[in-house]
Order: sequence, then structure tokens, then C-alpha cells
Amino acid sequence: GNSVTQMEGPVTLSEEAFLTINCTYTATGYPSLFWYVQYPGEGLQLLLKATKADDKGSNKGFEATYRKETTSFHLEKGSVQVSDSAVYFCALNQAGTALIFGKGTTLSVSS
Amino acid sequence: NAGVTQTPKFQVLKTGQSMTLQCAQDMNHEYMSWYRQDPGMGLRLIHYSVGAGITDQGEVPNGYNVSRSTTEDFPLRLLSAAPSQTSVYFCASSFGQGRANTEAFFGQGTRLTVV
Repeated sequence: GNSVTQMEGPVTLSEEAFLTINCTYTATGYPSLFWYVQYPGEGLQLLLKATKADDKGSNKGFEATYRKETTSFHLEKGSVQVSDSAVYFCALNQAGTALIFGKGTTLSVSS
Repeated sequence: NAGVTQTPKFQVLKTGQSMTLQCAQDMNHEYMSWYRQDPGMGLRLIHYSVGAGITDQGEVPNGYNVSRSTTEDFPLRLLSAAPSQTSVYFCASSFGQGRANTEAFFGQGTRLTVV
């Protein structure tokens, strides 16, 4: 079945550091891929998405590229801020079913 | 713009009690789903629906019931609450795959404690 594996956290960085959170997936066909973010005490909100191979999703300085050859969708940001502290979820979606999530990666950024 | 509305936000139940978590969306989305979030487990799919009158089980359906009589509403019923069902529950909705925008929108969550 479909599944998503993302690096375990927590990830602890200093402000302005480079961020990478790895995500790989298993799926048949061509799923859509997403990164969602959850700030403390809130629900999930979409951070970025890519719907086909080689697409790059980007938002708020975050980027991720849909790599079909490596079945990956790694999240990157060049310079993190304290306000980026949150839990990040990688997810995939295919026709006829609901989103499948990874276990989430907690990011903590200190000033 | 209400989006996805979940009620209640907090609930404490005694073991064996039943209750219904409500979820409503006003975006005319076809897909609706319920997840539970537990520490270290991420979000696990309980049940989902691809349209009114159609539901299916997710990864952890035992102890939960759903129905989808309208496009807007997708209630989750706990038949006989157990402490293992203590969790944060999220409802989500989206257009179906094949649409230009398959983004899922989430409610604010229901924090359920079973004692």
C-alpha cells in the first residue's frame, strides 16, 4: 500500500541555519505530494505541493521538488526563523482515497 | 469563510460512553476524512468518504463509525469509548483527485480524553 517515510526529529537549529527534512514515499502510479505544517495548538495547513514529477513547490521560503526517480520530496529552507518552529508533515494523495501522512518532524528554531 | 468546522473542541468521556464528533464543510468538497493524532504516530486515517453515501475504512477504523448522508457533513461516532481512544481528532476535506487543486483543508481538531 501507499506510505510516506520522513526523517524523525526533533530537529533543532539556530536562526538562519539551513533546513532539510527528508521525505520518501511508496505508491503506485503518480501521486500528488504535499508538505503540511502544524503550529502549536492548531490544525494542519498546507505549506506547499507538487502534482507531477519534477514539479517544485514553494511557499514562505520553503521548497520541495517531486523526484520520481528517487521517490522523494525533501523539504528545504535556506534560512530558518524562530517562527518556523512547528511540526512538518509530508503526505501523498491518490485518486479514490484520502491523504496518507508521514509521522511528522518537529522543528525547533532558537535565536 | 467557515471552511471545515469541528465540534466540540474539547471532550472528556467516561469509558463505555458513546458520542459523536461533528464535522461540517462549506466548500462543496467531495472528499472528507477523519484522522487521529497521537504522539510519535503522526496522523492516522480512521475513515474517509469520496462522496455522499460512500464511506470506507482507513488504517485504524475499529471502535469508530461514520456515515455521509450529505456532502457537507461527516460525523464520527465513538460507539463505546475506551482509554485508547484518547487522542486529538482532525477532520479534513478536499476536492477529489484529478481536480486542479487537491489541497486538503483541516478543522481545528477535537481533543478527546477518555477516563
